[in-house]
Amino acid sequence: DQQVKQNSPSLSVQEGRISILNCDYTNSMFDYFLWYKKYPAEGPTFLISISSIKDKNEDGRFTVFLNKSAKHLSLHIVPSQPGDSAVYFCAASGSYIPTFGRGTSLIVHP
Amino acid sequence: GAGVSQSPSNKVTEKGKDVELRCDPISGHTALYWYRQSLGQGLEFLIYFQGNSAPDKSGLPSDRFSAERTGGSVSTLTIQRTQQEDSAVYLCASSLTAHNQPQHFGDGTRLSIL
Repeated sequence: DQQVKQNSPSLSVQEGRISILNCDYTNSMFDYFLWYKKYPAEGPTFLISISSIKDKNEDGRFTVFLNKSAKHLSLHIVPSQPGDSAVYFCAASGSYIPTFGRGTSLIVHP
Repeated sequence: GAGVSQSPSNKVTEKGKDVELRCDPISGHTALYWYRQSLGQGLEFLIYFQGNSAPDKSGLPSDRFSAERTGGSVSTLTIQRTQQEDSAVYLCASSLTAHNQPQHFGDGTRLSIL
């Protein structure tokens, strides 16, 4: 039973537009959420995180939104660039072992 | 570099052989994790080490899998009597502490069992 779900396996966006990646979770004990980006043949790289006491965290082109009542978080990338093309993993943690989603493959077309 | 280092980057072996995968975490990071990623799947947790505490082995899929972390630094993941279903990318990650800290991943070991 997946506790962290990324329901869209892939997303295609035009350069300059907004990319919105979504993530849903089921465990109400999760209190820390992260997004990672992964290029082929490389390990995941930490992108941005948010604590459950906040509903938004912004870092440059990347913003994460958390809706605790809906158990939903999203990552917004504005503007999207071709170099953003990668697999994005959502992760949630309530203790010391984060649970990862299966990833969403983002393709940004020039 | 100062990142997490894993070796070998690729390993091809015959079914039934034992393999040993190595992870060098970032210096000073007390928490160390092993994951595996099978084709088209997410990251599957295997084992977690925190300082000198007993490891959390709850993710190990069978008793053929074991891991140790010597001196609170380097870790090795051993798979005995490998099976074809063990083929995957094995990822190691470390973090400064265990709670609410981002993990830093190595580039993984791609294991192929023939």
